[in-house]
Amino acid sequence: GDSVTQMEGPVTLSEEAFLTINCTYTATGYPSLFWYVQYPGEGLQLLLKATKADDKGSNKGFEATYRKETTSFHLEKGSVQVSDSAVYFCALDSNYQLIWGAGTKLIIKP
Amino acid sequence: GAVVSQHPSRVICKSGTSVKIECRSLDFQATTMFWYRQFPKQSLMLMATSNEGSKATYEQGVEKDKFLINHASLTLSTLTVTSAHPEDSSFYICSASPRTGEREKLFFGSGTQLSVL
Repeated sequence: GDSVTQMEGPVTLSEEAFLTINCTYTATGYPSLFWYVQYPGEGLQLLLKATKADDKGSNKGFEATYRKETTSFHLEKGSVQVSDSAVYFCALDSNYQLIWGAGTKLIIKP
Repeated sequence: GAVVSQHPSRVICKSGTSVKIECRSLDFQATTMFWYRQFPKQSLMLMATSNEGSKATYEQGVEKDKFLINHASLTLSTLTVTSAHPEDSSFYICSASPRTGEREKLFFGSGTQLSVL
C-alpha cells in the first residue's frame, strides 16, 4: 500500500541554519503531497502542498518540490528561526485518505 | 483560521476504566470528523471517519466496540476508549472538515495523550 517515510528526529539546528527534512513516498499514481506542522500545544496545520510532479509548494519561507523521479518531497528552509521549532509531518493523499509519515521534531537553538 | 478544540490534552487512567475524548469545531460546522492515533516514532494512523448523524466508518483492524465514536452534532465528536488497557496508551488526534474531501479545509485538534496504567 501507499506509504510515507520521513527522517527520524529530533533535528537540532542553530538559528539561521539551512534546514532539510527528507520525505519519500511510495504510491500508485500521482497523489497530492503535503507538509503539516504542529507547534507546541497546537493542532496540526497545513504548511504547504503540491499536487503534481515538479510543483513547488511554499509558505513561511519553507519550500518543497514534488520529485516524481525520486519519489521525494523534501522540506527546506534557507534560514530557520527559533519559532520554527515544531513537529513536521509529511503526508500524501491516497484514495481520499491522508497517509502520514511519523513526524520529525525540529529544535532550533538561539 | 478555523479552530478545533480537543480535550483533554492528557489523561491518565486505570486499566479497565473508560475514557472520553472530545473534539469540537469552534467556528465552523464540521460535516466530517476523523480520529487518528499515533504510537511513538510511528505514523499517524486513521482510526475512523464520522459524518454528523450517521455511524462512524472504522478502518480495518480498529475495534468499533472498543473505540466508540459519536458525532451527534455538527460541532462535536467524541471518542470513548472503553475498558482501556495499557496497549491503548497512545496519542489520539481528531480533525474536522466543513466539507468532505477538501484537504486544505482539514483542521486538527492538538491531540490527547492517553496513558493507561
